[in-house]
Amino acid sequence: RKEVEQDPGPFNVPEGATVAFNCTYSNSASQSFFWYRQDCRKEPKLLMSVYSSGNEDGRFTAQLNRASQYISLLIRDSKLSDSATYLCAPSGGSYIPTFGRGTSLIVHP
Amino acid sequence: GAGVSQSPSNKVTEKGKDVELRCDPISGHTALYWYRQRLGQGLEFLIYFQGNSAPDKSGLPSDRFSAERTGESVSTLTIQRTQQEDSAVYLCASSLQERNYGYTFGSGTRLTVV
Repeated sequence: RKEVEQDPGPFNVPEGATVAFNCTYSNSASQSFFWYRQDCRKEPKLLMSVYSSGNEDGRFTAQLNRASQYISLLIRDSKLSDSATYLCAPSGGSYIPTFGRGTSLIVHP
Repeated sequence: GAGVSQSPSNKVTEKGKDVELRCDPISGHTALYWYRQRLGQGLEFLIYFQGNSAPDKSGLPSDRFSAERTGESVSTLTIQRTQQEDSAVYLCASSLQERNYGYTFGSGTRLTVV
């Protein structure tokens, strides 16, 4: 089993849609969890940290399920500008984040 | 500076030459990471520095790769005798000791070995 697994997509959704991505991780010692957004040919940028069971920031909701070892990201009311690759990054006991390959989102008019 | 600074932003080198990549982390960030990202691929961990502790070099792909960091400041990643498969974007990230705040990336160095 890969350390971090994400559905590569692409998820192709219309503006205004709600879309959700999952990310599974194998290291049960993971302490911190993050979602990053990466635009084409740019560096990853922190989107959300995931605390305890989950948290919300505007249109974005992240949830953590420690028992099943997955984190999810929900985007409501998708905008064209949300088109990007979304990377999840659990950080294990050694605090070295391991990044998934990312899920590609394309929001179309 | 306000963010993580990397230089050069682009580097084209001939196969067999040595290259040195630089990362200037956010002031006060004790942890520093180097990653490699090949075209269309995910981020591959290379090396991790935390304060004055011995670095975690477990991700370095070969002995041609080495990195140094002076205290909690600048880091340099050196690739000796470059090969074409070394072509990638090399990303540096830094973080506070309290890592719940996440990791801030620099804009990367795009290395092309010809």
